[in-house]
Amino acid sequence: GEDVEQSLFLSVREGDSSVINCTYTDSSSTYLYWYKQEPGAGLQLLTYIFSNMDMKQDQRLTVLLNKKDKHLSLRIADTQTGDSAIYFCAESYSGGGADGLTFGKGTHLIIQP
Amino acid sequence: GAVVSQHPSWVICKSGTSVKIECRSLDFQATTMFWYRQFPKQSLMLMATSNEGSKATYEQGVEKDKFLINHASLTLSTLTVTSAHPEDSSFYICSAPGQGGNQPQHFGDGTRLSIL
Repeated sequence: GEDVEQSLFLSVREGDSSVINCTYTDSSSTYLYWYKQEPGAGLQLLTYIFSNMDMKQDQRLTVLLNKKDKHLSLRIADTQTGDSAIYFCAESYSGGGADGLTFGKGTHLIIQP
Repeated sequence: GAVVSQHPSWVICKSGTSVKIECRSLDFQATTMFWYRQFPKQSLMLMATSNEGSKATYEQGVEKDKFLINHASLTLSTLTVTSAHPEDSSFYICSAPGQGGNQPQHFGDGTRLSIL
């Protein structure tokens, strides 16, 4: 079945870059997403990438996709205390809403002052 | 602004009670909606796909008699947790398809359900 794996914790110093990694097993994954969840809150879509892309950048966020290795990463430049949250990697076969998403367990980003 | 509204945001009730959660698409129609469940400090798991005018499609291991889904209109899907017990306590989130091509799904803000 489909599987999405992430490390559970990442600790970085404020101002440094954070790199959150994700691997997935379903080679038919076409759309890959990063969501942010703050304590007690819902999901916030950060960015997404199509499988035919290698990289996508949006302000402080950079997504890298290695489709051969089924590896996705999210880099947050100049990490701030407000970036402290759980980050979920997710994948789907189709975009939009033809099917539900498969989520990883989430990476808890901890910011050290 | 929010494009998917979920209600209630938090509910606490006694064991044995049935609880209904609503998921509404605002200003757009959704023939399909998705229901997810998140246990504390864990990932979101897809429970079922709600289909307007027809039966929901449940993921393996999800009890359809326990989690009743109704998608009676193009803007509303409901999830009813029947005879809820403490182990049903969880965070339930719905989503609706993105609009226009392959836009990402829109998620509701979630419902935190606590069964005493």
